[in-house]
Amino acid sequence: DIQMTQSPSTLSAFVGDRVTISCRASQSVSGWLAWYQQKPGKAPNLLIYKTFSLQSGVPSRFSGNGFGTEFTLTISSLQPDDFATYYCQQYSTYSPTFGQGTKVEIK
Amino acid sequence: QVQLVESGGGVVQPGGSLRLSCAASGFIIGDFGMNWVRQAPGKGLEWVAFIEYDGRKIQYADSLKGRFTVSRDNSNNTVYVQINSLRPEDTAIYYCARGRGDPPQQYFDHWGQGTLVTVSS
Repeated sequence: DIQMTQSPSTLSAFVGDRVTISCRASQSVSGWLAWYQQKPGKAPNLLIYKTFSLQSGVPSRFSGNGFGTEFTLTISSLQPDDFATYYCQQYSTYSPTFGQGTKVEIK
Repeated sequence: QVQLVESGGGVVQPGGSLRLSCAASGFIIGDFGMNWVRQAPGKGLEWVAFIEYDGRKIQYADSLKGRFTVSRDNSNNTVYVQINSLRPEDTAIYYCARGRGDPPQQYFDHWGQGTLVTVSS
């Protein structure tokens, strides 16, 4: 299986900060990379698919980039509603795998 | 709107079995591949299984093969997963998720609220 590694595991930031989360794949996944946001007690919510395509209804402050093995999720101006855990997911094969998650906390 | 509702979770003893259901509404489930994803308490997400729109292709996570069986009833807009020989490490919230894109390249655009399975004596 393809291993996905996110960094950092925890991130502390202020409202209004620009925040970037990294995701690295153990082998190339081409552009087949999605990002999800999960709040406590809730199901994950799709933010971005195919590396940089924004899911309908997701604010434009979220953006994705990368290709192959290195990917990023950027929040251009962190809002109070954005404090959550974020997961990357590769879906290049029939065995999709997730990163371990990045928790974004209020500083 | 698209809605997925899981049911069937509960407390079960080690070695027991459970069948989880995922009822879909707001779309025709027969048009979509469906997935099960689980999350152990305080842990990350783990993909469990995929079933293609017509049920002809099924995939499981390698570590779970043999104990999990996924199926679907498109006439009832429902997907199932049967879990046998339950172990304490199977304790998790089990989510169903709708797949988008052409398999195998499917991301998950809608998720249910999950059903909790607790394996304990």
